[in-house]
Amino acid sequence: DSGVTQTPKHLITATGQRVTLRCSPRSGDLSVYWYQQSLDQGLQFLIQYYNGEERAKGNILERFSAQQFPDLHSELNLSSLELGDSALYFCASSLAGYQETQYFGPGTRLLVL
Amino acid sequence: AQTVTQSQPEMSVQEAETVTLSCTYDTSESDYYLFWYKQPPSRQMILVIRQEAYKQQNATENRFSVNFQKAAKSFSLKISDSQLGDAAMYFCAHSGGATNKLIFGTGTLLAVQP
Repeated sequence: DSGVTQTPKHLITATGQRVTLRCSPRSGDLSVYWYQQSLDQGLQFLIQYYNGEERAKGNILERFSAQQFPDLHSELNLSSLELGDSALYFCASSLAGYQETQYFGPGTRLLVL
Repeated sequence: AQTVTQSQPEMSVQEAETVTLSCTYDTSESDYYLFWYKQPPSRQMILVIRQEAYKQQNATENRFSVNFQKAAKSFSLKISDSQLGDAAMYFCAHSGGATNKLIFGTGTLLAVQP
């Protein structure tokens, strides 16, 4: 158990819908990362937050957005969902967000029908 | 561009034997870290080992060790005394520069034969 929690574990929804994925980092960690794992694109970095502020952005679609709240939990919002958004979404956390090991949550498996 | 290449999509090893998984990377950063993560059928991403690029000594964690060749940009993982529980997808990754984002390879699926 990495100490990173993600909810829900599974999510099934329809095209065009909007979902919110939630992540709580390990106790004491200030930085949160989101990754997408899909069959065709592999593991891709989406976005990083540090202490409530966006630190880095990767291959995140404009339909996707994220934020980190004052209690340091983070949410990833996916809207206007398409079939291709079906994937495993991971959250990871680290202490300060620079040259550190990231610890991953169990992931949220999203299926868009 | 930062890239990570794992040229072995699948590998197989006999229980108790040793296996080496290959990884090459490309980065323009002078200060970076390298990682091996394990993803078993549960899909959880588990850190196996990490290597700081500025350290010449190869990292070891129990039965897991790396061969880090900085000039060749090579970072292979050696698993000794393989166990059935080692069967998983193994991902090589690096982070560096101003952010801590991880760049992953495509993974190597390791099977352990009893």
